[in-house]
Amino acid sequence: ETGVTQTPRHLVMGMTNKKSLKCEQHLGHNAMYWYKQSAKKPLELMFVYSLEERVENNSVPSRFSPECPNSSHLFLHLHTLQPEDSALYLCASSQDWAPVPGFSTDTQYFGPGTRLTVL
Amino acid sequence: AQSVAQPEDQVNVAEGNPLTVKCTYSVSGNPYLFWYVQYPNRGLQFLLKYITGDNLVKGSYGFEAEFNKSQTSFHLKKPSALVSDSALYFCAVRDRWGNAGNMLTFGGGTRLMVKP
Repeated sequence: ETGVTQTPRHLVMGMTNKKSLKCEQHLGHNAMYWYKQSAKKPLELMFVYSLEERVENNSVPSRFSPECPNSSHLFLHLHTLQPEDSALYLCASSQDWAPVPGFSTDTQYFGPGTRLTVL
Repeated sequence: AQSVAQPEDQVNVAEGNPLTVKCTYSVSGNPYLFWYVQYPNRGLQFLLKYITGDNLVKGSYGFEAEFNKSQTSFHLKKPSALVSDSALYFCAVRDRWGNAGNMLTFGGGTRLMVKP
């Protein structure tokens, strides 16, 4: 798990708090992803960044705000969350070949996740 | 649109017996297919992938998967299960001509329980 790291591993926050999740990849990849994993629900893709540009925003509420300052780092800023936002948040990275977007066979590698509890 | 189905929520198998975790997919073009495993309180770990070529793909920890285009399936198999194989398994697919970002669609997951 040293390829993709996530901090913190556990986070408990109130509905009025503001917090941030951090993801860092050490694999030299140029695409990064945020997923939400809730109990008894399929893995939900939230955001995708390719070459530091957001290429997918999967109808995620505005209380989740991603930031990708460079190809190695990805943040998820959280504010005024709801209890139903409690979940495991997973970060992943892969190589997305440009200038042919999407024509990549490379694998997504995942971090260990941040277990978020919203009280 | 692409989709993945894992028809079994849970698979139970005795240690030493062969195991199969089922996956079927739907894509508009040729698929790239992946299997991941998730242990408790951990992220997803890559097991194997099918891109092209031989329909039988070998991966980590003795797992293999067989791509069957006519049945649109990519079942995960292992000849002899170990208790330590007990985990949550996810199948994923992407269309070869996908959008930027190499986006995958995941199945709902299958919990594998291997009993001593």
